[in-house]
Amino acid sequence: KAGVTQTPRYLIKTRGQQVTLSCSPISGHRSVSWYQQTPGQGLQFLFEYFSETQRNKGNFPGRFSGRQFSNSRSEMNVSTLELGDSALYLCASSLRGGGRNEKLFFGSGTQLSVL
Amino acid sequence: AQRVTQPEKLLSVFKGAPVELKCNYSYSGSPELFWYVQYSRQRLQLLLRHISRESIKGFTADLNKGETSFHLKKPFAQEEDSAMYYCALKVNYQLIWGAGTKLIIKP
Repeated sequence: KAGVTQTPRYLIKTRGQQVTLSCSPISGHRSVSWYQQTPGQGLQFLFEYFSETQRNKGNFPGRFSGRQFSNSRSEMNVSTLELGDSALYLCASSLRGGGRNEKLFFGSGTQLSVL
Repeated sequence: AQRVTQPEKLLSVFKGAPVELKCNYSYSGSPELFWYVQYSRQRLQLLLRHISRESIKGFTADLNKGETSFHLKKPFAQEEDSAMYYCALKVNYQLIWGAGTKLIIKP
């Protein structure tokens, strides 16, 4: 079974630009969640989707948005990039997301650098 | 507010010595706790879940509701245990993470 796939692996953007990151979950997984990882703030939750519906959103500005498609693939978008958005963005998938004790499977991440 | 605290950023022990990585949580409900591990150049992956009461790679973790702790333990450390370890609390479809502890096993 293929794991969680995130594309691209690396991105370099300049301030003010926007960026779209993609995540393909494990086949059969319907829940996709996104996390931002930085040396200063650690791992922080961005949002979670299940069956194309956002069920929870973390404490990030509205410049961060996401969506999920009918095949469970997910994208996240960051508009008007700021230097502080430089981070590793991780995607994780699971069967249902809300199941007790449910295991998350992580992708390798997209490393975003904002210059 | 929900919070996970890992007080040690770095823990260094000799091979064969016992290991304990500390994790404390703050949550008013029934906690759902996990330990995730990231080995060098690998993805973040689940190590163990408190509900399963499992032992993975010799590691165990016991939930202590009185002390609100979920410490990770291994009686005899091995060099391949060197990695970054994260404790996480699941709340409302999200994981709330501790800052992580870097474990170094010295030969």
